[in-house]
Amino acid sequence: QQPVQSPQAVILREGEDAVINCSSSKALYSVHWYRQKHGEAPVFLMILLKGGEQMRHEKISASFNEKKQQSSLYLTASQLSYSGTYFCGTGIPTGYALNFGKGTSLLVTP
Amino acid sequence: GAGVSQSPRYKVTKRGQDVALRCDPISGHVSLYWYRQALGQGPEFLTYFNYEAQQDKSGLPNDRFSAERPEGSISTLTIQRTEQRDSAMYRCASSRQENTEAFFGQGTRLTVV
Repeated sequence: QQPVQSPQAVILREGEDAVINCSSSKALYSVHWYRQKHGEAPVFLMILLKGGEQMRHEKISASFNEKKQQSSLYLTASQLSYSGTYFCGTGIPTGYALNFGKGTSLLVTP
Repeated sequence: GAGVSQSPRYKVTKRGQDVALRCDPISGHVSLYWYRQALGQGPEFLTYFNYEAQQDKSGLPNDRFSAERPEGSISTLTIQRTEQRDSAMYRCASSRQENTEAFFGQGTRLTVV
């Protein structure tokens, strides 16, 4: 049930863009995105619900393709503060048990 | 409170001992979740509550693990007869209701020696 994230890691120069993907083998009701910095708790970025709109958090946006059971996180004009590990958590229609992927490690360099 | 509070922050216990991990959610938050996070991995779902009702405990690894939230606020995750493989970061999160923004606590780092 664990969603699959790709890529596992990415290194960017400040100002560059990146896309992180999250896919599931099961029908999804919701996708949640979190960012976690080293030694800290995960911090909420956004939720995408089935039938909902594309969401945005500052220069980070996300989409949810229900048919393909996938979500993508788009980081535009990346900033140093974007560095961290990004996790997607997926919720299924029959219950609310967020299952998180293994994460994508993002490093933004000057 | 201002955020989700977990205690203790660090717990070292001998194999075979029981441990109780406490979570104090944000005031008014209906939903409370327990996760376990290994180093370099995503949070692994254990169980969750709405108010005092345990809605899903499918993620609890075995019957040594149990959780309660008797008054719909503070929750305790109990691990009986701890084993070395139980060593991990245990995180609690709470949200106003299901499928809304969840706030994570700083976690309890459990080490079983």
